[in-house]
Amino acid sequence: GENVEQHPSTLSVQEGDSAVIKCTYSDSASNYFPWYKQELGKGPQLIIDIRSNVGEKKDQRIAVTLNKTAKHFSLHITETQPEDSAVYFCAASINSGYALNFGKGTSLLVTP
Amino acid sequence: DAGITQSPRHKVTETGTPVTLRCHQTENHRYMYWYRQDPGHGLRLIHYSYGVKDTDKGEVSDGYSVSRSKTEDFLLTLESATSSQTSVYFCAISTSGGRTDTQYFGPGTRLTVL
Repeated sequence: GENVEQHPSTLSVQEGDSAVIKCTYSDSASNYFPWYKQELGKGPQLIIDIRSNVGEKKDQRIAVTLNKTAKHFSLHITETQPEDSAVYFCAASINSGYALNFGKGTSLLVTP
Repeated sequence: DAGITQSPRHKVTETGTPVTLRCHQTENHRYMYWYRQDPGHGLRLIHYSYGVKDTDKGEVSDGYSVSRSKTEDFLLTLESATSSQTSVYFCAISTSGGRTDTQYFGPGTRLTVL
């Protein structure tokens, strides 16, 4: 089945800096790549997603890039703020299937 | 939260007892999912449903069963709870009408099996 690797497992940045989280996937048939943010004690919240027919997608300070050839995708957060501190999960799936396959998460800490 | 509620939010039980977790949605979405979240493992799919009385197994289904008698409710049952089932359980729904697309998660149930 699909295997999603996520790096780094922890990331600390200063407020205003950029943060980048990277994921790789194993199944070349994967074509949907969402990113989730999870705050302590809450469920994962979808923040951005990308499909395999698109190379990059932006939403304000958040962007996701996809390299299908290398089978990796990345989350970019610019101008980080303390409220960006959370655990971020990447996932990959085949649209004809039913499962989202998740990475193990990145704990992001933004210090003032 | 896409109109998803989970109950109970917290539960402590003993090994060998049956446990049922409930997921309720208010928007009549067809696809519903149960995941468990454990440190070092991310989220893993237990079971999913693609309609009333239509369910199938996910990656970690052993020891769990599900039922969906109404569109709005998806129940997860541990027939005889074990300590390895101590976890946080999340229900999710897919809003797009597709399969894995655009899944939204509920607030979770923290289950402790002593």
